[in-house]
Amino acid sequence: GAVVSQHPSRVICKSGTSVKIECRSLDFQATTMFWYRQFPKKSLMLMATSNEGSKATYEQGVEKDKFLINHASLTLSTLTVTSAHPEDSSFYICSAPGTGAIEKLFFGSGTQLSVL
Amino acid sequence: GESVGLHLPTLSVQEGDNSIINCAYSNSASDYFIWYKQESGKGPQFIIDIRSNMDKRQGQRVTVLLNKTVKHLSLQIAATQPGDSAVYFCAEKSGYNKLIFGAGTRLAVHP
Repeated sequence: GAVVSQHPSRVICKSGTSVKIECRSLDFQATTMFWYRQFPKKSLMLMATSNEGSKATYEQGVEKDKFLINHASLTLSTLTVTSAHPEDSSFYICSAPGTGAIEKLFFGSGTQLSVL
Repeated sequence: GESVGLHLPTLSVQEGDNSIINCAYSNSASDYFIWYKQESGKGPQFIIDIRSNMDKRQGQRVTVLLNKTVKHLSLQIAATQPGDSAVYFCAEKSGYNKLIFGAGTRLAVHP
């Protein structure tokens, strides 16, 4: 089946630094990818929709300048957490629709970000 | 606004028993629902889905029931096994291509 690869799986960084998370569709092309954030024991919260070749669409309340999204190719979307602070610590998950439709959404394995 | 919620945050069952996880949704126009399983430190895994033109769908050991009248969704797991221990989320299709996730229920299976 379709696979979405997310890297790194875990990252620890100092406050004020930037962290980049990659999401790749390994055996299919994805013009759209989705980025979610998940706090401990909480649900997944959609942050933004990444669109290949155009600007990402952010959900209400998500800071565009804090969470930079780039979707430069049909198989790669990146999320950069800029000037990270402890409150940005969270589990970040990407997903991509395998057939272009939400009915076949494949998730990455997630990235645990810890900001010291 | 739209929301998808769950009745029970934690469910404990004995191995071999059947499990029922519930979910309420508020958008009566929603036409597609999915149940996901998430193990600790991993991304969600698809379990089963159902469209609004159905009220029941069965998979291997799992059944999803949809009651549109009361906007309620449930996931039934037959003969629950220790490997079923995880957090389960219902999700609702929103608009063209987005999913809204419910709060999640932790299923704990005891031997």
